[in-house]
Amino acid sequence: GQQVMQIPQYQHVQEGEDFTTYCNSSTTLSNIQWYKQRPGGHPVFLIQLVKSGEVKKQKRLTFQFGEAKKNSSLHITATQTTDVGTYFCAGDSNYQLIWGAGTKLIIKP
Amino acid sequence: DTAVSQTPKYLVTQMGNDKSIKCEQNLGHDTMYWYKQDSKKFLKIMFSYNNKELIINETVPNRFSPKSPDKAHLNLHINSLELGDSAVYFCASTLEGGENIQYFGAGTRLSVL
Repeated sequence: GQQVMQIPQYQHVQEGEDFTTYCNSSTTLSNIQWYKQRPGGHPVFLIQLVKSGEVKKQKRLTFQFGEAKKNSSLHITATQTTDVGTYFCAGDSNYQLIWGAGTKLIIKP
Repeated sequence: DTAVSQTPKYLVTQMGNDKSIKCEQNLGHDTMYWYKQDSKKFLKIMFSYNNKELIINETVPNRFSPKSPDKAHLNLHINSLELGDSAVYFCASTLEGGENIQYFGAGTRLSVL
C-alpha cells in the first residue's frame, strides 16, 4: 500500500542549532501537509505544499516539496525551546491523507 | 470557541467495559475522523465519515464503532475494552472538497487497566 516514510524518528539538538525532517512517499502526491504536535497537545496544521519544487517559509521554518512530488522536507533554523514537539508530514493522495511517523524534536538541556 | 471539541479529556476504565468518546465540531465541516495515537506517537486513521460514506480502516477491530447523529458530531463507541486500546484518540474534521486540512480536537487519553 501507499506509504510515507519520515526520518529521523528523533533529533536531539542544542538550542540554536538547525533541525531537519524528511518525508518520502512511495507514490506521487497531489500535495503534502505539515503538522506540529506539542508535548501533550494535538496536531496543528502548519502548511500545505502543492506545486512541484515549491518552497515556502514561515519565519525560521522552511518547507520544500520535491520536483517529483514524492518527497518533502521541513527545516528549522536556529531552534528555540518553543520549537519542541513532534513534526508530522501527511501526503495527500486522492484525498486520502497518508501520515508519516513523525520526527520528535528534542532540545538538549 | 473551540472548533473541534472532545469529551472526556481523560478516561480510565477496566478491561471488558464499554465506553464512548464524544466529538463535536462547529466549523461547518462535513467530514469527520477518528485517529488513534499510540505511545510511539504513530497517528493511525481509524474512520472517516461524512453524511454519504463511512470509510473504515480494515485493521480496526469491530469492537470500535463510530456513531454520527448529525454532521457536526461523530462519537466513538468501544465495546469490551482491552489493554491494547490504551492510547490517545483524536477526533478531526475537514471540509469536503476543500484542501483536506485536518482540524484536530484536544484528544482523549484512554487508559485501560
